[in-house]
Amino acid sequence: GAVVSQHPSWVICKSGTSVKIECRSLDFQATTMFWYRQFPKQSLMLMATSNEGSKATYEQGVEKDKFLINHASLTLSTLTVTSAHPEDSSFYICSARSLADSYNEQFFGPGTRLTVL
Amino acid sequence: DAKTTQPTSMDCAEGRAANLPCNHSTISGNEYVYWYRQIHSQGPQYIIHGLKNNETNEMASLIITEDRKSSTLILPHATLRDTAVYYCIVRVGYGQNFVFGPGTRLSVLP
Repeated sequence: GAVVSQHPSWVICKSGTSVKIECRSLDFQATTMFWYRQFPKQSLMLMATSNEGSKATYEQGVEKDKFLINHASLTLSTLTVTSAHPEDSSFYICSARSLADSYNEQFFGPGTRLTVL
Repeated sequence: DAKTTQPTSMDCAEGRAANLPCNHSTISGNEYVYWYRQIHSQGPQYIIHGLKNNETNEMASLIITEDRKSSTLILPHATLRDTAVYYCIVRVGYGQNFVFGPGTRLSVLP
């Protein structure tokens, strides 16, 4: 199957700093990428949908100025958590949908664990 | 997207079949049933999906009732590595994202 990578796999930062997480589709072109957040013992919650070359669409309650998403190419989307605070500590997961996929399957990355001190 | 209900948790003996049920009584005619699983601290992994016919692949079988209001994911010979949270999701095709419910936490016991 198609492979999606995330970098870094884990990051620890100080409160007030910004953190960038990369999501890459390694062997396919992704028209759309999705960013999810997962708190401990909870399910995945969609944060935003990003389409290559256009602005991301954010879910209700997600601050677009805090969670900056850039989808500059068909293989890369980035999520920047600006001015991170301890409550932003979470598991961030991206997924990508293939340009050529007729079944609308999404391929998920391995996730990035963010800890804000 | 239609809402799904799954048992919170299940146990299964290693080597036995694991049957994970999912109710989706409000599913509409053009919605597919997808199954994903998430092993601890990893991203979700695709297992199988179907519309109305039963499906089988190298990982699992998906049995969808004739009225499509429920389905069962079958792992024919569960191993310890199958311990994970299993998500049943119903969704229309292209253009829609996945909405994850709480899923079923399957524990495969030695």
